[in-house]
This record gives sequence, C-alpha cells and structure tokens, in this order.
Amino acid sequence: QKEVEQDPGPLSVPEGAIVSLNCTYSNSAFQYFMWYRQYSRKGPELLMYTYSSGNKEDGRFTAQVDKSSKYISLFIRDSQPSDSATYLCAMMSGGSNYKLTFGKGTLLTVNP
Amino acid sequence: NAGVTQTPKFRILKIGQSMTLQCTQDMNHNYMYWYRQDPGMGLKLIYYSVGAGITDKGEVPNGYNVSRSTTEDFPLRLELAAPSQTSVYFCASSFDTTTQHFGDGTRLSIL
Repeated sequence: QKEVEQDPGPLSVPEGAIVSLNCTYSNSAFQYFMWYRQYSRKGPELLMYTYSSGNKEDGRFTAQVDKSSKYISLFIRDSQPSDSATYLCAMMSGGSNYKLTFGKGTLLTVNP
Repeated sequence: NAGVTQTPKFRILKIGQSMTLQCTQDMNHNYMYWYRQDPGMGLKLIYYSVGAGITDKGEVPNGYNVSRSTTEDFPLRLELAAPSQTSVYFCASSFDTTTQHFGDGTRLSIL
C-alpha cells in the first residue's frame, strides 16, 4: 500500500460547482496535512495547512482531516475557472522528520 | 521579494554531461529542499538542508549532489546525466518545516 493515495482524475466540473478532492494515507505518524495548488508550468503553492484532525476554512476552501479514517479532503465552493489546476495533498510526521510526502495530484478543470 | 528563484528554466543535456541547477531564496529561510516531479508521480525529495553547511539525503538522492555554503543558495549538481534524470526539478525553502515555498522549476531533458 502506498503511503499517500490520491485519485489523479482528471476532474471536470461546471463553474459554480462544489468540488471535493481527497487523499488517503497509511502512515499513522502523519500529523501535518497540506494542500498545494499547481498551475501549469509553475511551482506548487501552499493553499491550506492543517495540524492533526479537524476542519479549516479559508474563503471558498475547506480542508478536513479525519485521522481515525486516515482520510483528508479539500472542498472548493463556487468553483471558478481560475481554480483550474493540479491539486496535491502532502503530509508530514513532524518533529525532526523533514520529509513531506506528496500525493500524485488531481487535475481539476472548471468550465465556464 | 522574488521568493525562490531557479535557473535555468529549461535545459537539454546529452547523456554523460554534467550541470548545476541553481536555486536562490531571499526570504532568509534556513530550510531548503530539492524535489523532482515526474508525470503523474507527485514530488519526490532529492536532498534537503536545515542550514548553511548542513545537507542530507532525501528519498531519491542517487546521481545528485548538493552543497549549501550560504543561507540563500542551494545548488543541485548532476554528474554523468542519465535519461532517467529527465524530469522537472523544483527547489523550495521554508521558515519552519511545514510551510514550503516553491520556485517555478527547471525542466531538464537528457537525450
């Protein structure tokens, strides 16, 4: 079983739709959970960062972490064409472990 | 602030050649990282540094070398380039270990 599993998509939705992106993981030591957005031919940029379980909201974006199920989600409300990008989940165990483990990324297209 | 700057943006190498990918950050971050991203494969950590003079191997270090003589610069050296090293290379830096800022990458093709 891979450490982090992420459905690569592609995912295509109409403008205004609610988008749900998900990752599962197997390493119970992970404590820090991130979502990165990557536009074509650009570097990843940090979108959301959550420590341990719970929800975090930032504008149209909500990140959820369920450590008991080893499952994380990113929800995008009122999706816009500018949200079209690849979304990467990433996780870290923390402490002196500097290794960030990434999912493969989900390609999202929001159609006007 | 420029953030993390990578040069060159694109390069073609012949098998067996060597080159250095440059990475500079102006945020005074202690932590710096090199990743490679292959199509559909996510990002894999090659090397990282926790400060000037300190580097360590990541997940896929074979065929690469790094040095960190200053806080700002973290070059990645490829010796004896091989087709398997064709990839997009990203440098990142962070103030703490969790919030990493990425450059826009170097696209490297080895033919």
